[in-house]
Amino acid sequence: GAVVSQHPSWVICKSGTSVKIECRSLDFQATTMFWYRQFPKQSLMLMATSNEGSKATYEQGVEKDKFLINHASLTLSTLTVTSAHPEDSSFYICSASGNGVQSLHFGNGTRLTVT
Amino acid sequence: GEDVEQSLFLSVREGDSSVINCTYTDSSSTYLYWYKQEPGAGLQLLTYIFSNMDMKQDQRLTVLLNKKDKHLSLRIADTQTGDSAIYFCAEKTGGGNKLTFGTGTQLKVEL
Repeated sequence: GAVVSQHPSWVICKSGTSVKIECRSLDFQATTMFWYRQFPKQSLMLMATSNEGSKATYEQGVEKDKFLINHASLTLSTLTVTSAHPEDSSFYICSASGNGVQSLHFGNGTRLTVT
Repeated sequence: GEDVEQSLFLSVREGDSSVINCTYTDSSSTYLYWYKQEPGAGLQLLTYIFSNMDMKQDQRLTVLLNKKDKHLSLRIADTQTGDSAIYFCAEKTGGGNKLTFGTGTQLKVEL
């Protein structure tokens, strides 16, 4: 079946540094990728929709200059958390959408801890 | 607007059936989904139902949809300890693949 690879699975960084998270579709072309954020014991909140070759669409309240999204190819989208702060610590999950109504596949998430 | 609600916690004994409920408010939902999330992991799609269907059965899983009441449920038959996880319902509206997730239900299966 379709697989979405998310890397790294966990990362610890110091406050003020930037962290890049990759989301790759391994066996299909993902025209659209979604980035979610999940706080402990809470639901997934959509941060942005990433479309290959165009600018990402951010949800209300999400700072586009802080959470940089690049979707340069049909198999790769990246989320960069710039100048990370402890409040950015969270679980970030991507999903990738190919063709077909039901083709939405999730990565295994990235646990970000900012110290 | 989009608002998807679930009860927070459900505890069942191994071998019993589990029923996880979900209510949503957007009547234009096209597909409704159930996902399973184990600790520290991503989401695993369990099943989905098209909005013009009332019921869908897939092995131990039965999905019931009451579109009039905007109520969705997931029944897990013969619940096992491996079913312990958080279960999210999600709805898709519009033509894209953007999903709105419910608040999640923590299922605990006891021996």
